[in-house]
Amino acid sequence: GAVVSQHPSWVICKSGTSVKIECRSLDFQATTMFWYRQFPKQSLMLMATSNEGSKATYEQGVEKDKFLINHASLTLSTLTVTSAHPEDSSFYICSALSQGGNEQFFGPGTRLTVL
Amino acid sequence: AQSVTQLGSHVSVSEGALVLLRCNYSSSVPPYLFWYVQYPNQGLQLLLKYTSAATLVKGINGFEAEFKKSETSFHLTKPSAHMSDAAEYFCAVSSSNTGKLIFGQGTTLQVKP
Repeated sequence: GAVVSQHPSWVICKSGTSVKIECRSLDFQATTMFWYRQFPKQSLMLMATSNEGSKATYEQGVEKDKFLINHASLTLSTLTVTSAHPEDSSFYICSALSQGGNEQFFGPGTRLTVL
Repeated sequence: AQSVTQLGSHVSVSEGALVLLRCNYSSSVPPYLFWYVQYPNQGLQLLLKYTSAATLVKGINGFEAEFKKSETSFHLTKPSAHMSDAAEYFCAVSSSNTGKLIFGQGTTLQVKP
Protein backbone atom coordinates (compact mmCIF):
# COMPACT_ATOMS: atom_id res chain seq x y z
CA GLY A 1 0.00 0.00 0.00
CA ALA A 2 0.83 3.72 0.18
CA VAL A 3 1.78 4.17 -3.45
CA VAL A 4 2.17 7.62 -4.97
CA SER A 5 2.53 8.11 -8.70
CA GLN A 6 3.65 11.07 -10.76
CA HIS A 7 2.98 11.84 -14.38
CA PRO A 8 4.85 12.45 -16.53
CA SER A 9 8.12 10.93 -15.39
CA TRP A 10 10.00 13.30 -17.64
CA VAL A 11 9.08 16.22 -19.87
CA ILE A 12 10.93 18.51 -22.24
CA CYS A 13 9.33 21.80 -23.16
CA LYS A 14 10.16 25.06 -24.86
CA SER A 15 10.81 28.22 -22.93
CA GLY A 16 7.62 30.18 -22.34
CA THR A 17 5.28 27.22 -22.31
CA SER A 18 3.46 25.77 -19.31
CA VAL A 19 3.84 22.26 -17.98
CA LYS A 20 1.50 20.35 -15.67
CA ILE A 21 2.71 17.58 -13.37
CA GLU A 22 0.25 15.25 -11.67
CA CYS A 23 0.68 13.57 -8.31
CA ARG A 24 -1.70 10.79 -7.33
CA SER A 25 -2.10 8.74 -4.18
CA LEU A 26 -3.19 5.39 -5.61
CA ASP A 27 -4.43 3.49 -2.58
CA PHE A 28 -5.20 6.04 0.09
CA GLN A 29 -6.77 9.43 0.44
CA ALA A 30 -4.42 12.32 1.09
CA THR A 31 -5.77 15.61 2.32
CA THR A 32 -2.23 16.97 2.31
CA MET A 33 0.41 16.63 -0.36
CA PHE A 34 3.77 18.30 -0.70
CA TRP A 35 5.79 19.47 -3.68
CA TYR A 36 9.57 19.47 -3.64
CA ARG A 37 12.24 20.59 -6.04
CA GLN A 38 15.63 18.96 -6.25
CA PHE A 39 18.63 20.28 -8.14
CA PRO A 40 21.43 17.91 -9.15
CA LYS A 41 23.50 16.67 -6.24
CA GLN A 42 21.38 18.65 -3.80
CA SER A 43 18.74 17.96 -1.20
CA LEU A 44 15.01 18.33 -1.56
CA MET A 45 13.61 21.81 -1.15
CA LEU A 46 10.00 22.08 -0.06
CA MET A 47 8.11 24.33 -2.44
CA ALA A 48 4.58 24.17 -1.11
CA THR A 49 2.02 22.29 0.90
CA SER A 50 -1.07 21.31 -1.05
CA ASN A 51 -4.30 20.97 0.90
CA GLU A 52 -7.40 19.40 -0.60
CA GLY A 53 -10.11 21.94 -1.19
CA SER A 54 -8.08 24.97 -0.17
CA LYS A 55 -5.24 27.12 -1.37
CA ALA A 56 -1.72 25.81 -1.24
CA THR A 57 0.75 27.18 1.26
CA TYR A 58 3.97 28.24 -0.39
CA GLU A 59 7.39 28.35 1.20
CA GLN A 60 9.27 31.60 1.34
CA GLY A 61 10.82 32.52 -1.97
CA VAL A 62 8.57 30.32 -4.10
CA GLU A 63 6.48 32.26 -6.60
CA LYS A 64 2.88 31.16 -6.27
CA ASP A 65 1.91 32.66 -9.64
CA LYS A 66 4.64 30.70 -11.37
CA PHE A 67 4.08 27.38 -9.64
CA LEU A 68 0.34 26.84 -9.60
CA ILE A 69 -0.89 24.08 -7.33
CA ASN A 70 -4.33 22.56 -7.38
CA HIS A 71 -5.54 19.83 -5.04
CA ALA A 72 -9.01 19.19 -6.34
CA SER A 73 -9.55 15.73 -4.92
CA LEU A 74 -8.29 13.55 -2.11
CA THR A 75 -6.09 11.61 -4.50
CA LEU A 76 -4.78 14.19 -6.94
CA SER A 77 -2.61 17.28 -6.71
CA THR A 78 -1.20 19.09 -9.73
CA LEU A 79 1.73 21.43 -10.13
CA THR A 80 1.76 23.69 -13.17
CA VAL A 81 4.96 25.47 -14.03
CA THR A 82 3.82 28.51 -15.95
CA SER A 83 5.92 30.32 -18.55
CA ALA A 84 8.76 27.94 -17.97
CA HIS A 85 12.36 29.09 -18.32
CA PRO A 86 15.57 27.06 -18.46
CA GLU A 87 16.25 27.82 -14.80
CA ASP A 88 13.06 25.94 -13.93
CA SER A 89 14.68 22.76 -15.18
CA SER A 90 14.83 20.46 -12.21
CA PHE A 91 13.59 17.24 -10.64
CA TYR A 92 10.17 17.75 -9.07
CA ILE A 93 9.01 15.30 -6.43
CA CYS A 94 5.66 15.11 -4.72
CA SER A 95 4.63 13.32 -1.57
CA ALA A 96 1.38 12.48 0.14
CA LEU A 97 0.91 12.66 3.87
CA SER A 98 -0.37 9.49 5.51
CA GLN A 99 -3.78 9.55 7.09
CA GLY A 100 -2.11 9.29 10.48
CA GLY A 101 -0.11 12.39 9.61
CA ASN A 102 3.30 11.10 10.64
CA GLU A 103 4.75 9.84 7.37
CA GLN A 104 5.05 11.05 3.79
CA PHE A 105 4.98 8.72 0.82
CA PHE A 106 6.96 9.95 -2.14
CA GLY A 107 6.30 9.82 -5.83
CA PRO A 108 9.02 8.75 -8.27
CA GLY A 109 9.69 12.30 -9.43
CA THR A 110 9.37 14.23 -12.69
CA ARG A 111 12.39 15.44 -14.61
CA LEU A 112 11.61 18.78 -16.27
CA THR A 113 13.91 20.15 -18.93
CA VAL A 114 13.17 23.57 -20.38
CA LEU A 115 14.93 24.38 -23.63
CA ALA B 1 12.23 25.69 14.27
CA GLN B 2 13.69 22.43 13.11
CA SER B 3 16.86 21.60 11.22
CA VAL B 4 18.97 18.64 10.22
CA THR B 5 22.70 18.37 9.66
CA GLN B 6 24.26 15.41 7.94
CA LEU B 7 27.96 15.21 8.66
CA GLY B 8 29.86 14.15 5.58
CA SER B 9 28.48 14.77 2.13
CA HIS B 10 30.33 11.74 0.83
CA VAL B 11 31.11 8.46 2.58
CA SER B 12 33.09 5.65 1.02
CA VAL B 13 33.27 2.13 2.45
CA SER B 14 34.42 -1.24 1.24
CA GLU B 15 31.94 -3.97 0.53
CA GLY B 16 31.30 -5.85 3.77
CA ALA B 17 32.40 -2.98 5.98
CA LEU B 18 30.33 -1.11 8.51
CA VAL B 19 28.22 1.76 7.20
CA LEU B 20 27.79 4.79 9.45
CA LEU B 21 25.95 7.87 8.20
CA ARG B 22 25.65 10.69 10.69
CA CYS B 23 22.64 12.88 11.34
CA ASN B 24 22.11 15.52 14.00
CA TYR B 25 18.88 17.39 14.44
CA SER B 26 17.53 20.46 16.13
CA SER B 27 13.93 20.64 17.24
CA SER B 28 11.99 22.61 19.81
CA VAL B 29 9.31 19.93 19.94
CA PRO B 30 9.56 16.14 20.16
CA PRO B 31 10.74 15.17 16.69
CA TYR B 32 9.83 12.51 14.23
CA LEU B 33 12.99 11.40 12.43
CA PHE B 34 13.40 9.62 9.13
CA TRP B 35 16.05 8.16 6.89
CA TYR B 36 15.39 7.94 3.18
CA VAL B 37 17.40 6.47 0.32
CA GLN B 38 17.37 7.81 -3.23
CA TYR B 39 18.72 6.06 -6.28
CA PRO B 40 19.54 8.13 -9.39
CA ASN B 41 16.52 9.71 -11.05
CA GLN B 42 14.12 8.14 -8.59
CA GLY B 43 11.98 9.28 -5.71
CA LEU B 44 12.69 8.66 -2.06
CA GLN B 45 12.28 5.33 -0.34
CA LEU B 46 11.78 5.20 3.40
CA LEU B 47 14.45 3.19 5.21
CA LEU B 48 13.18 3.71 8.73
CA LYS B 49 11.50 6.18 11.04
CA TYR B 50 11.46 7.17 14.69
CA THR B 51 8.15 8.36 16.07
CA SER B 52 8.71 8.35 19.84
CA ALA B 53 8.53 4.60 20.37
CA ALA B 54 11.67 2.45 20.71
CA THR B 55 14.88 4.45 20.40
CA LEU B 56 16.59 1.75 18.35
CA VAL B 57 14.78 1.54 15.06
CA LYS B 58 15.25 -1.27 12.57
CA GLY B 59 14.49 -0.60 8.93
CA ILE B 60 14.65 -2.28 5.58
CA ASN B 61 17.72 -3.77 3.91
CA GLY B 62 19.50 -4.33 7.23
CA PHE B 63 19.69 -0.66 8.22
CA GLU B 64 19.04 0.61 11.71
CA ALA B 65 19.28 3.89 13.57
CA GLU B 66 19.35 4.93 17.19
CA PHE B 67 17.63 8.01 18.53
CA LYS B 68 19.82 9.69 21.14
CA LYS B 69 18.09 12.66 22.65
CA SER B 70 21.08 13.71 24.75
CA GLU B 71 23.21 13.92 21.62
CA THR B 72 20.39 15.10 19.32
CA SER B 73 21.52 12.42 16.91
CA PHE B 74 19.92 9.79 14.71
CA HIS B 75 22.82 8.05 13.00
CA LEU B 76 22.18 5.36 10.41
CA THR B 77 24.16 2.12 10.48
CA LYS B 78 24.43 -1.16 8.65
CA PRO B 79 26.84 -3.88 9.75
CA SER B 80 27.93 -4.98 6.30
CA ALA B 81 27.72 -2.86 3.16
CA HIS B 82 26.54 -4.27 -0.15
CA MET B 83 27.28 -2.85 -3.57
CA SER B 84 23.56 -2.20 -3.95
CA ASP B 85 23.65 0.19 -0.97
CA ALA B 86 25.45 2.80 -3.07
CA ALA B 87 22.99 5.69 -3.25
CA GLU B 88 22.11 9.06 -1.76
CA TYR B 89 20.83 9.05 1.81
CA PHE B 90 18.76 11.76 3.42
CA CYS B 91 17.95 12.32 7.05
CA ALA B 92 14.79 14.31 7.78
CA VAL B 93 12.91 15.70 10.75
CA SER B 94 9.29 16.66 11.17
CA SER B 95 6.90 17.58 13.91
CA SER B 96 3.64 15.84 14.54
CA ASN B 97 1.45 18.87 13.99
CA THR B 98 2.45 19.82 10.44
CA GLY B 99 3.84 16.73 8.79
CA LYS B 100 6.35 18.96 6.97
CA LEU B 101 9.74 17.39 6.46
CA ILE B 102 13.01 19.24 6.79
CA PHE B 103 15.78 17.42 4.98
CA GLY B 104 19.47 17.29 5.59
CA GLN B 105 21.90 17.97 2.80
CA GLY B 106 22.27 14.34 1.91
CA THR B 107 25.16 11.89 2.03
CA THR B 108 26.40 9.99 -0.97
CA LEU B 109 27.40 6.47 -0.03
CA GLN B 110 29.99 4.83 -2.25
CA VAL B 111 30.66 1.12 -1.82
CA LYS B 112 33.94 -0.16 -3.19
CA PRO B 113 34.47 -3.78 -4.20
